[in-house]
This record gives sequence, structure tokens and C-alpha cells, in this order.
Amino acid sequence: QKEVEQNSGPLSVPEGAIASLNCTYSDRGSQSFFWYRQYSGKSPELIMSIYSNGDKEDGRFTAQLNKASQYVSLLIRDSQPSDSATYLCAVNIGRGGADGLTFGKGTHLIIQP
Amino acid sequence: NAGVTQTPKFRILKIGQSMTLQCTQDMNHNYMYWYRQDPGMGLKLIYYSVGAGITDKGEVPNGYNVSRSTTEDFPLRLELAAPSQTSVYFCASNGGQANNSPLHFGNGTRLTVT
Repeated sequence: QKEVEQNSGPLSVPEGAIASLNCTYSDRGSQSFFWYRQYSGKSPELIMSIYSNGDKEDGRFTAQLNKASQYVSLLIRDSQPSDSATYLCAVNIGRGGADGLTFGKGTHLIIQP
Repeated sequence: NAGVTQTPKFRILKIGQSMTLQCTQDMNHNYMYWYRQDPGMGLKLIYYSVGAGITDKGEVPNGYNVSRSTTEDFPLRLELAAPSQTSVYFCASNGGQANNSPLHFGNGTRLTVT
């Protein structure tokens, strides 16, 4: 069973601090990795995508990928109350890539004012 | 900028009833997907389509059917609703190379079967 694992939380972080979200995946052949943010009652929205080892930064968000360790993370700097949400890690696990993404269960992040 | 549009937003069904969840996208994407999300769980793939006339089963297809007669539309059919199908359903699409393109999601359909 190909899987994506995340700590469900809740992860509580003070406002202004760095939030660190982690994800591991089982399929070494995975090529594409995504972080989605989902507010309660809403649909997932794309935060970051990453395809090669290393760091990718976009504003306050940094995605980190380590394919050897099968590990992808998301760092949120200067955390704001509006960052409170569930963060879903998604990985392309499949034969040719057209059969969608496999999602973790999500990490519930709470930013404390 | 409609993107992916799902209807209805909410629906209550009685056990054994049938319904169709509608999904349409205006981005000319070849790839379309149906996911369900249960409380505290990630999204589970029900069915997907790589183009008009082509569909395939995902992880949890039992109790559902799909069709893809046009690029734009990808309806999901529930024939005999069961309480286990109470969930939030998301339709999604992506274009370009499917294995490195992110998914664009609709706003979801919240279905309750009683």
C-alpha cells in the first residue's frame, strides 16, 4: 500500500514563530510533491509544489524535499492566526502520473495569538 | 475565472436513493478526478479520467459510477445511496503533464445519507 503519512496534530505554534510540518511517503518512485491548505468547510488550495531535492521558497513558505529519506516538509515563517488550518501533503504516486495524487490525512495547525 | 464548478453544494439523501454530483471545468484540462473526504481523513480517490471517453477506478470506487462525454464535464453517480457514502466530495482537474501538475479543486459537495 503506497502511503503518505503526516502527524495529525493539532500542532500549536505561537504567532510570529516558525511552524514546521512534516510528511513521509512510501513510494521511492514519486516525482511530484504538493502542500495544500484547507480551512474548515472549504476546499484544498495549493500552497507549494516541489519536484527536486532541496528547498523552495515562496514568501513566508518554504518547502523542503529529501528523496533519499522520502521526506517532505513545509516551513511557515512569521506564523499568523490566518495560517490556522489543516495542511495536506500530497504526492504523485502512480503508474504514469495521470491517476491523481495520494494525500496524507493532514496536520491541523493552530497559531496562537 | 470559474475554474472547477460543483453542484449541488449540499444534499441529503435517503438510503437507496440515487443522485448525480455535477462537475464542470472551463480550463480545458484533460485530467479530472473525484475524491471523497471523511472527517479527520485525507482525500480518497474515487474515479479519474484522462480525457473524454476514458475513465478508471481509483482507491474507493464501489457504489459509484462516472462518465466523461466531454472534456468539460465529469459527473459522479450514486445509484443506491448508503450511510457509508456520507462525506464531502471534491472534484478536481489538472492540465499539462498530469504527473507534475497540481490539482485544481471545486468547492465540494457535502452529502448526507440517512
